[in-house]
Amino acid sequence: NAGVTQTPKFRVLKTGQSMTLLCAQDMNHEYMYWYRQDPGMGLRLIHYSVGEGTTAKGEVPDGYNVSRLKKQNFLLGLESAAPSQTSVYFCASGRNNYGYTFGSGTRLTVV
Amino acid sequence: DAKTTQPPSMDCAEGRAANLPCNHSTISGNEYVYWYRQIHSQGPQYIIHGLKNNETNEMASLIITEDRKSSTLILPHATLRDTAVYYCIVRPVSNSGYALNFGKGTSLLVTP
Repeated sequence: NAGVTQTPKFRVLKTGQSMTLLCAQDMNHEYMYWYRQDPGMGLRLIHYSVGEGTTAKGEVPDGYNVSRLKKQNFLLGLESAAPSQTSVYFCASGRNNYGYTFGSGTRLTVV
Repeated sequence: DAKTTQPPSMDCAEGRAANLPCNHSTISGNEYVYWYRQIHSQGPQYIIHGLKNNETNEMASLIITEDRKSSTLILPHATLRDTAVYYCIVRPVSNSGYALNFGKGTSLLVTP
């Protein structure tokens, strides 16, 4: 039982490049979330999904897109990376009345 | 959503109990109190949650006042590995995918 797995763990992008971050969970959770955390700050919600095929915007969605084609996977895409998107990205999954499980993070630097 | 208030930082000596307070005076009857922590550079970790009764698990105890307007997370024998930022979060019981709002939390420093 791996829990929540994020790939890649580290990435350096040039401004304007695109990439996709993958979040995979093996707990059959309905809900999945993408957060970002900047140095010295709390977590901010980017996008989330309450079920396969559904997504919704969070607090800071601009510059990101998401897809949840399979229940176990939640993809976060950056179409044209900007230095302001340098951050640590955390994925989480959960279900009603239980604590959410977080991945170990993806550290992204945009130069 | 009910707002939570936590002290920005606290210290605790290793081996002693760490008591982390949280104020949630606007909490409604259908909202849980959840606690998470984030050890430096790691993903947040679920600790415990409760509705109105006190709760205990292998990590901690959660004491919720009778009026539910505040709660205390207790780490009974703090270790250096408990140094982390602790988040108190209020979440609806029937949440349909409610996203957690982490706020600033309490930075707990456990000292030798």
